Amino acid sequence: AQSVTQLDSQVPVFEEAPVELRCNYSSSVSVYLFWYVQYPNQGLQLLLKYLSGSTLVESINGFEAEFNKSQTSFHLRKPSVHISDTAEYFCAVSDNSGGSNYKLTFGKGTLLTVNP
Amino acid sequence: EPEVTQTPSHQVTQMGQEVILRCVPISNHLYFYWYRQILGQKVEFLVSFYNNEISEKSEIFDDQFSVERPDGSNFTLKIRSTKLEDSAMYFCASLEAVFSGANVLTFGAGSRLTVL
Repeated sequence: AQSVTQLDSQVPVFEEAPVELRCNYSSSVSVYLFWYVQYPNQGLQLLLKYLSGSTLVESINGFEAEFNKSQTSFHLRKPSVHISDTAEYFCAVSDNSGGSNYKLTFGKGTLLTVNP
Repeated sequence: EPEVTQTPSHQVTQMGQEVILRCVPISNHLYFYWYRQILGQKVEFLVSFYNNEISEKSEIFDDQFSVERPDGSNFTLKIRSTKLEDSAMYFCASLEAVFSGANVLTFGAGSRLTVL
């Protein structure tokens, strides 16, 4: 079984400031890691994923996350946020063997609010 | 880009009534899922469906819930007799299950269920 902990339920920042959204996971097996974003009144959209290879993964809109196996973390960062980044961000994990039907286990989410 | 579509976007029902939430997964996908998100809480796994049968279900998915893929395109979630605590956003997701490892769930925009 897996679990995901997102340490911050809300993160308010000013526009153009850097941000880090923290995510830690626990699992008895090897995992895939994901960040999903939910804009107001919309569904869940994949932001980025770690499947294998380079531990640093990037999204097309400037976010990056680094898989740290020793610390069981997958923190999400952006060096300069925009108002449009205001959304809820969910960290998720799945068993990479397919043994759990690829289902995702989500964290509780972090609401990022970017203020002008 | 292919997407998962869900209907209705919002449904209000009386306690004890039956509700059917509908989903059209991406056409070449093989795995199907329902998740729910009670307001302010994390996204929770309900059930996964593969090869025309339930492959896994959570403890939330009790006898009041059922899923069906009646015609090869729609994937439905039925709640037989709704309770107040069933009020939530319900997300459908599908997965192609490419065995090379790029297993990423695609989510619909969600169906908000309000039970009065």
